[in-house]
Amino acid sequence: DGGITQSPKYLFRKEGQNVTLSCEQNLNHDAMYWYRQDPGQGLRLIYYSQIVNDFQKGDIAEGYSVSREKKESFPLTVTSAQKNPTAFYLCASSWTSGRSRNEQFFGPGTRLTVL
Amino acid sequence: GESVGLHLPTLSVQEGDNSIINCAYSNSASDYFIWYKQESGKGPQFIIDIRSNMDKRQGQRVTVLLNKTVKHLSLQIAATQPGDSAVYFCAELADFGNEKLTFGTGTRLTIIP
Repeated sequence: DGGITQSPKYLFRKEGQNVTLSCEQNLNHDAMYWYRQDPGQGLRLIYYSQIVNDFQKGDIAEGYSVSREKKESFPLTVTSAQKNPTAFYLCASSWTSGRSRNEQFFGPGTRLTVL
Repeated sequence: GESVGLHLPTLSVQEGDNSIINCAYSNSASDYFIWYKQESGKGPQFIIDIRSNMDKRQGQRVTVLLNKTVKHLSLQIAATQPGDSAVYFCAELADFGNEKLTFGTGTRLTIIP
Protein backbone atom coordinates (compact mmCIF):
# COMPACT_ATOMS: atom_id res chain seq x y z
CA ASP A 1 0.00 0.00 0.00
CA GLY A 2 2.81 2.34 -0.86
CA GLY A 3 3.84 3.79 2.51
CA ILE A 4 0.38 4.94 3.55
CA THR A 5 -1.17 3.42 6.63
CA GLN A 6 -4.70 3.71 7.88
CA SER A 7 -5.93 2.52 11.21
CA PRO A 8 -7.92 0.77 12.31
CA LYS A 9 -8.99 -1.51 9.44
CA TYR A 10 -12.44 -2.02 10.94
CA LEU A 11 -14.21 0.40 13.26
CA PHE A 12 -17.56 0.16 14.97
CA ARG A 13 -19.27 3.08 16.67
CA LYS A 14 -22.62 3.86 18.15
CA GLU A 15 -24.82 6.40 16.47
CA GLY A 16 -24.19 9.93 17.77
CA GLN A 17 -20.52 9.39 18.59
CA ASN A 18 -17.68 11.19 16.87
CA VAL A 19 -14.90 8.97 15.55
CA THR A 20 -11.43 9.78 14.19
CA LEU A 21 -9.76 7.79 11.43
CA SER A 22 -6.00 7.83 11.21
CA CYS A 23 -3.92 8.29 8.05
CA GLU A 24 -0.12 8.42 8.01
CA GLN A 25 2.27 8.52 5.05
CA ASN A 26 6.06 8.27 4.87
CA LEU A 27 6.35 9.14 1.17
CA ASN A 28 7.14 12.79 1.84
CA HIS A 29 4.07 13.76 -0.19
CA ASP A 30 2.75 17.28 0.18
CA ALA A 31 -0.88 16.53 -0.64
CA MET A 32 -3.25 14.22 1.18
CA TYR A 33 -6.87 13.28 0.49
CA TRP A 34 -9.83 11.57 2.11
CA TYR A 35 -12.41 9.68 0.06
CA ARG A 36 -15.54 7.82 0.88
CA GLN A 37 -16.56 4.71 -1.04
CA ASP A 38 -20.06 3.21 -0.96
CA PRO A 39 -21.12 -0.03 -2.72
CA GLY A 40 -21.60 0.44 -6.46
CA GLN A 41 -20.24 3.97 -6.39
CA GLY A 42 -16.97 5.59 -7.24
CA LEU A 43 -14.75 7.38 -4.78
CA ARG A 44 -16.11 10.69 -3.53
CA LEU A 45 -13.77 13.34 -2.19
CA ILE A 46 -14.38 14.50 1.38
CA TYR A 47 -11.42 16.79 2.12
CA TYR A 48 -7.97 17.37 0.75
CA SER A 49 -4.85 19.20 1.83
CA GLN A 50 -2.03 20.40 -0.39
CA ILE A 51 0.17 21.77 2.36
CA VAL A 52 0.55 21.63 6.13
CA ASN A 53 -1.96 23.72 8.08
CA ASP A 54 -4.21 24.13 5.06
CA PHE A 55 -7.08 22.02 3.70
CA GLN A 56 -10.11 22.39 1.45
CA LYS A 57 -13.56 20.84 1.34
CA GLY A 58 -14.25 18.23 -1.27
CA ASP A 59 -17.60 17.27 -2.74
CA ILE A 60 -19.12 15.75 0.42
CA ALA A 61 -17.49 17.55 3.38
CA GLU A 62 -20.64 18.00 5.48
CA GLY A 63 -20.42 16.08 8.76
CA TYR A 64 -16.65 15.61 8.51
CA SER A 65 -13.63 17.52 9.80
CA VAL A 66 -9.88 17.23 9.27
CA SER A 67 -6.59 18.67 10.49
CA ARG A 68 -3.14 18.82 8.92
CA GLU A 69 -0.71 19.74 11.66
CA LYS A 70 2.06 17.52 10.29
CA LYS A 71 3.04 16.70 6.73
CA GLU A 72 2.78 12.96 7.28
CA SER A 73 -0.59 12.91 9.07
CA PHE A 74 -4.14 13.78 7.96
CA PRO A 75 -6.73 12.48 10.44
CA LEU A 76 -10.43 12.51 9.54
CA THR A 77 -13.16 12.95 12.13
CA VAL A 78 -16.61 11.64 11.33
CA THR A 79 -18.97 13.68 13.46
CA SER A 80 -22.45 12.91 14.68
CA ALA A 81 -23.72 15.39 12.08
CA GLN A 82 -22.86 12.97 9.26
CA LYS A 83 -26.22 11.45 8.30
CA ASN A 84 -25.00 8.17 6.87
CA PRO A 85 -21.45 7.51 8.11
CA THR A 86 -21.24 3.76 7.45
CA ALA A 87 -18.83 3.39 4.53
CA PHE A 88 -15.33 2.45 3.43
CA TYR A 89 -12.94 5.38 3.93
CA LEU A 90 -9.80 5.74 1.85
CA CYS A 91 -6.87 8.06 2.40
CA ALA A 92 -4.47 9.00 -0.39
CA SER A 93 -1.42 11.17 -0.91
CA SER A 94 0.49 12.62 -3.84
CA TRP A 95 3.23 15.02 -4.84
CA THR A 96 2.18 18.49 -5.92
CA SER A 97 4.87 18.99 -8.56
CA GLY A 98 6.74 16.93 -11.10
CA ARG A 99 5.62 14.44 -13.71
CA SER A 100 3.89 12.20 -11.17
CA ARG A 101 2.10 14.99 -9.34
CA ASN A 102 -1.40 13.75 -10.18
CA GLU A 103 -0.83 10.11 -9.22
CA GLN A 104 -2.48 9.42 -5.89
CA PHE A 105 -1.24 6.61 -3.68
CA PHE A 106 -3.92 4.98 -1.55
CA GLY A 107 -3.93 3.43 1.89
CA PRO A 108 -5.66 0.12 2.71
CA GLY A 109 -8.84 1.81 3.92
CA THR A 110 -10.94 1.81 7.09
CA ARG A 111 -14.37 0.26 7.11
CA LEU A 112 -16.56 2.23 9.50
CA THR A 113 -19.84 0.76 10.70
CA VAL A 114 -22.16 2.86 12.80
CA LEU A 115 -24.63 0.80 14.80
CA GLY B 1 -22.15 18.25 -14.50
CA GLU B 2 -18.94 16.72 -15.74
CA SER B 3 -18.56 13.04 -14.98
CA VAL B 4 -16.58 9.93 -15.70
CA GLY B 5 -18.62 6.86 -16.57
CA LEU B 6 -18.09 3.26 -17.55
CA HIS B 7 -19.91 1.34 -20.27
CA LEU B 8 -20.08 -2.00 -18.44
CA PRO B 9 -20.35 -2.62 -14.70
CA THR B 10 -19.16 -6.27 -14.97
CA LEU B 11 -16.91 -8.18 -17.33
CA SER B 12 -16.00 -11.88 -17.35
CA VAL B 13 -13.01 -13.10 -19.32
CA GLN B 14 -11.46 -16.53 -19.79
CA GLU B 15 -8.01 -16.89 -18.25
CA GLY B 16 -5.35 -16.23 -20.85
CA ASP B 17 -7.60 -14.08 -23.03
CA ASN B 18 -7.26 -10.34 -23.40
CA SER B 19 -9.70 -7.98 -21.69
CA ILE B 20 -10.78 -4.45 -22.53
CA ILE B 21 -12.36 -2.12 -19.99
CA ASN B 22 -13.91 1.07 -21.32
CA CYS B 23 -14.48 4.49 -19.83
CA ALA B 24 -16.24 7.57 -21.20
CA TYR B 25 -15.46 11.05 -19.98
CA SER B 26 -17.31 14.27 -20.66
CA ASN B 27 -14.85 17.03 -19.74
CA SER B 28 -13.02 17.80 -22.96
CA ALA B 29 -10.57 20.00 -21.03
CA SER B 30 -9.28 17.13 -18.88
CA ASP B 31 -5.63 16.44 -19.64
CA TYR B 32 -4.74 13.56 -17.35
CA PHE B 33 -6.29 10.12 -16.91
CA ILE B 34 -5.42 7.27 -14.60
CA TRP B 35 -6.49 3.65 -14.14
CA TYR B 36 -6.65 2.00 -10.73
CA LYS B 37 -7.20 -1.61 -9.69
CA GLN B 38 -9.01 -2.35 -6.45
CA GLU B 39 -9.17 -5.79 -4.90
CA SER B 40 -11.89 -6.61 -2.41
CA GLY B 41 -11.43 -4.82 0.92
CA LYS B 42 -8.25 -3.03 -0.19
CA GLY B 43 -7.28 0.41 -1.38
CA PRO B 44 -6.92 1.19 -5.11
CA GLN B 45 -3.57 0.50 -6.73
CA PHE B 46 -2.14 2.52 -9.60
CA ILE B 47 -2.01 0.66 -12.92
CA ILE B 48 -1.17 3.17 -15.61
CA ASP B 49 -1.77 6.79 -16.52
CA ILE B 50 -1.83 8.88 -19.69
CA ARG B 51 -1.79 12.57 -20.53
CA SER B 52 -3.86 14.10 -23.27
CA ASN B 53 -0.86 14.72 -25.52
CA MET B 54 -0.64 10.95 -26.03
CA ASP B 55 -3.12 8.45 -27.50
CA LYS B 56 -1.48 5.26 -26.27
CA ARG B 57 0.70 4.17 -23.41
CA GLN B 58 1.93 0.69 -22.58
CA GLY B 59 2.98 -0.97 -19.36
CA GLN B 60 3.56 -4.52 -18.35
CA ARG B 61 0.61 -6.48 -19.89
CA VAL B 62 -1.51 -3.30 -19.85
CA THR B 63 -2.18 -0.68 -22.49
CA VAL B 64 -4.22 2.49 -22.13
CA LEU B 65 -5.77 4.07 -25.21
CA LEU B 66 -7.12 7.60 -25.29
CA ASN B 67 -9.47 8.82 -27.99
CA LYS B 68 -10.00 12.52 -27.42
CA THR B 69 -12.30 12.87 -30.41
CA VAL B 70 -14.99 10.75 -28.79
CA LYS B 71 -13.78 11.28 -25.23
CA HIS B 72 -13.14 7.62 -24.61
CA LEU B 73 -10.52 5.81 -22.56
CA SER B 74 -9.82 2.09 -22.47
CA LEU B 75 -7.63 -0.29 -20.51
CA GLN B 76 -6.42 -3.41 -22.23
CA ILE B 77 -5.05 -6.28 -20.16
CA ALA B 78 -3.21 -8.95 -22.10
CA ALA B 79 -3.10 -12.66 -21.20
CA THR B 80 -5.32 -12.27 -18.16
CA GLN B 81 -4.52 -14.13 -14.97
CA PRO B 82 -6.67 -14.99 -11.93
CA GLY B 83 -4.94 -12.18 -10.02
CA ASP B 84 -6.39 -9.67 -12.46
CA SER B 85 -9.85 -10.21 -10.97
CA ALA B 86 -10.75 -6.90 -9.32
CA VAL B 87 -12.67 -3.67 -9.79
CA TYR B 88 -11.04 -1.24 -12.20
CA PHE B 89 -11.59 2.52 -11.96
CA CYS B 90 -10.73 5.24 -14.38
CA ALA B 91 -10.24 8.77 -13.12
CA GLU B 92 -9.73 12.12 -14.81
CA LEU B 93 -8.15 15.33 -13.68
CA ALA B 94 -11.18 17.55 -13.93
CA ASP B 95 -10.37 20.39 -11.56
CA PHE B 96 -7.23 22.17 -12.63
CA GLY B 97 -5.25 24.05 -10.04
CA ASN B 98 -6.64 22.00 -7.20
CA GLU B 99 -5.42 18.71 -8.71
CA LYS B 100 -8.62 16.86 -7.85
CA LEU B 101 -9.33 13.54 -9.55
CA THR B 102 -12.88 12.55 -10.51
CA PHE B 103 -13.47 8.79 -10.36
CA GLY B 104 -15.83 6.58 -12.31
CA THR B 105 -18.00 3.96 -10.64
CA GLY B 106 -15.79 1.02 -11.63
CA THR B 107 -15.97 -2.19 -13.66
CA ARG B 108 -15.73 -5.55 -11.96
CA LEU B 109 -13.47 -7.88 -13.94
CA THR B 110 -13.75 -11.61 -13.25
CA ILE B 111 -11.23 -14.02 -14.72
CA ILE B 112 -12.68 -17.47 -15.38
CA PRO B 113 -10.13 -20.29 -14.81
